[in-house]
Amino acid sequence: ETGVTQTPRHLVMGMTNKKSLKCEQHLGHNAMYWYKQSAKKPLELMFVYNFKEQTENNSVPSRFSPECPNSSHLFLHLHTLQPEDSALYLCASSQGQQTNYGYTFGSGTRLTVV
Amino acid sequence: AQKVTQAQTEISVVEKEDVTLDCVYETRDTTYYLFWYKQPPSGELVFLIRRNSFDEQNEISGRYSWNFQKSTSSFNFTITASQVVDSAVYFCALSDRNSGGYQKVTFGTGTKLQVIP
Repeated sequence: ETGVTQTPRHLVMGMTNKKSLKCEQHLGHNAMYWYKQSAKKPLELMFVYNFKEQTENNSVPSRFSPECPNSSHLFLHLHTLQPEDSALYLCASSQGQQTNYGYTFGSGTRLTVV
Repeated sequence: AQKVTQAQTEISVVEKEDVTLDCVYETRDTTYYLFWYKQPPSGELVFLIRRNSFDEQNEISGRYSWNFQKSTSSFNFTITASQVVDSAVYFCALSDRNSGGYQKVTFGTGTKLQVIP
């Protein structure tokens, strides 16, 4: 258990489905992140939230919609995804976005779009 | 622009051998941080080490050691007497500031290490 919990661990969804990924941390961190990890590619930063405010949207398609109701919870709402969106989605948190103490990552959600 | 290069895609070693994972970075900032993370098959990235740009001392932690060479922009990671449990993907990362003043972390593509019993 890393301190950052992601659910579900695995998700298979059709292209017309709507689903949500959940991330939760109780480390007292104020910044939370969504990363996408595809095979043979570097980790791609998708979204950053600092004190519940979105501070970065890395040109992510609108079929991915993040939500951060408080500093401990982060969601990624998915709808009308494409097969190329299949990947490992990792959530991370840090003390704050303007610190450099490294991230704590969750175990990820392995998403397969069929 | 920030960039992290891990030229070794996959490495296989026999148990008890030493292995070095290479990391070369690019940044225009004078203040930055470098990290190594380990990603076991379970998926999460596990933080191993953080080093700031002003501290060029090498660090040793058990069987792990890190060699930071600012002159060559490298931050290499050595595992001594490797074990099967060391099998994982290892990521090098660079943290500096983006144009908005926020921390920006750039990851390398990772090196998959397989330790053969």
